Amino acid sequence: QVQLQESGPGLVKPSETLSLTCAVSGYSISSGYYWGWIRQPPGKGLEWIGSIYHSGSTYYNPSLKSRVTISVDTSKNQFSLKLSSVTAADTAVYYCASRIAAAGRGGFDYWGQGTLVTVSS
Amino acid sequence: QSVLTQPPSASGTPGQRVTISCSGSSSNIGSNTVNWYQQLPGTAPKLLIYSNNQRPSGVPDRFSGSKSGTSASLAISGLQSEDEADYYCAAWDDSLNAVVFGGGTKLTVL
Repeated sequence: QVQLQESGPGLVKPSETLSLTCAVSGYSISSGYYWGWIRQPPGKGLEWIGSIYHSGSTYYNPSLKSRVTISVDTSKNQFSLKLSSVTAADTAVYYCASRIAAAGRGGFDYWGQGTLVTVSS
Repeated sequence: QSVLTQPPSASGTPGQRVTISCSGSSSNIGSNTVNWYQQLPGTAPKLLIYSNNQRPSGVPDRFSGSKSGTSASLAISGLQSEDEADYYCAAWDDSLNAVVFGGGTKLTVL
């Protein structure tokens, strides 16, 4: 079955770059519709960060666009998130997700378990 | 402030029917389909309804979705204790070129 697993540092210092990777198993990352990242600050709602499509096109949340890069590594069957110049406001659980089957426009039908990233010195 | 508006809370007793609303605008719900997610405590969100009213495989038919104009609704019939969770609506926004979420509705089963 399809599984997504996030990995990366759980603690990042302010002004540094947050880097996370999502390993995909049970499915080829070269297929599928798109792969994306969503975050959830503690006790708050979901916020879409961005998505990378099968074509290579990327779409980012306008409020984060200047700081975000999402990329795919087909050789490792994984995709990554980089968020630069982080502040405490970027502290959140970060989820990787994908649309592999039916999920509606912009929807995600497979999710990772999430990883908590804390921004603190 | 979320682009899509949901009531922060909803509640019902076992067996009841509960609806959760999601209000948007012409650039999101008005011109695109709506997805609904269920997030059980301490877990990742799960796709519950896609394309306004379609259920992924494995989702009970107690869950249904609808859309009219710039608003959408999620209905849960035969409410069960395990339905206690946070529910989020989401849609693509043509003006922002982005996925937008509602603020979430916490459903309590009394």
